[in-house]
Amino acid sequence: GAVVSQHPSRVICKSGTSVKIECRSLDFQATTMFWYRQFPKKSLMLMATSNEGSKATYEQGVEKDKFLINHASLTLSTLTVTSAHPEDSSFYICSVQGGGRADTQYFGPGTRLTVL
Amino acid sequence: AQSVTQLGSHVSVSEGALVLLRCNYSSSVPPYLFWYVQYPNQGLQLLLKYTTGATLVKGINGFEAEFKKSETSFHLTKPSAHMSDAAEYFCALYNFNKFYFGSGTKLNVKP
Repeated sequence: GAVVSQHPSRVICKSGTSVKIECRSLDFQATTMFWYRQFPKKSLMLMATSNEGSKATYEQGVEKDKFLINHASLTLSTLTVTSAHPEDSSFYICSVQGGGRADTQYFGPGTRLTVL
Repeated sequence: AQSVTQLGSHVSVSEGALVLLRCNYSSSVPPYLFWYVQYPNQGLQLLLKYTTGATLVKGINGFEAEFKKSETSFHLTKPSAHMSDAAEYFCALYNFNKFYFGSGTKLNVKP
C-alpha cells in the first residue's frame, strides 16, 4: 500500500491564527485524497474529498472558507484551518485513494491540533 | 442512514486469550465492511474487509471477522491475543463513495 505522511504531527496555536497541515503521498501518485476529523472518543468524520488540480468537495456542514484545501500536486494536499478557534481543536487525518477505488484508502498518522 | 457502532471503547484481554471486538452497522444498501488497526503514531492500517461472497473474512495477523446480515454485525476476532495486538481498532462501512467509521476500540493485552 501507499505510504502517507502528515506534517506536523502536533501543533499548538493561538486563537485567531491559521494553521496549515500537509499530507504527502510518499510513494504513490494520488489523484484523490481525503481529509477526516476525529473528536475525542468519536468516530472519524469525512470533511472533504481533495482532487488534484480541482476544487475540493466538502461534506455537508463543513465550512469550506474555514477549512481550505489545496491539492496542487499528485503527492501533496494541504488543509489550512483559518482563524482557528478552540472548538477546532481536534485530530485531523488524511488518506490517499489507491488504485482508482475509493474503498481503498491509505491513511496518514494524523495531526493533533490544539487551539488555545 | 449509514452508521457504525462499536460496543466498548476499551477492551482488555490476557495474552493468549480470545479477542472479540464488536461492531454493528446500519446501512440502507448492502455494505462493504472494514476493520482497521491503528498503532500509536501511525496511520490506520487495513486488517480485513468484506465486500461480497464468503461471510467469514480472514485478515492479517490472525484476525478474522464474520458478516452477519441478520444481526447487522461484523465482529472482529482472534483466537489468541498477542502483546503486539495492543492498538486501537476501527470498524468502518463503505457505501455511496464514503467511509463511515465507528468510534474505535482500544485493545489492551495483559501479560
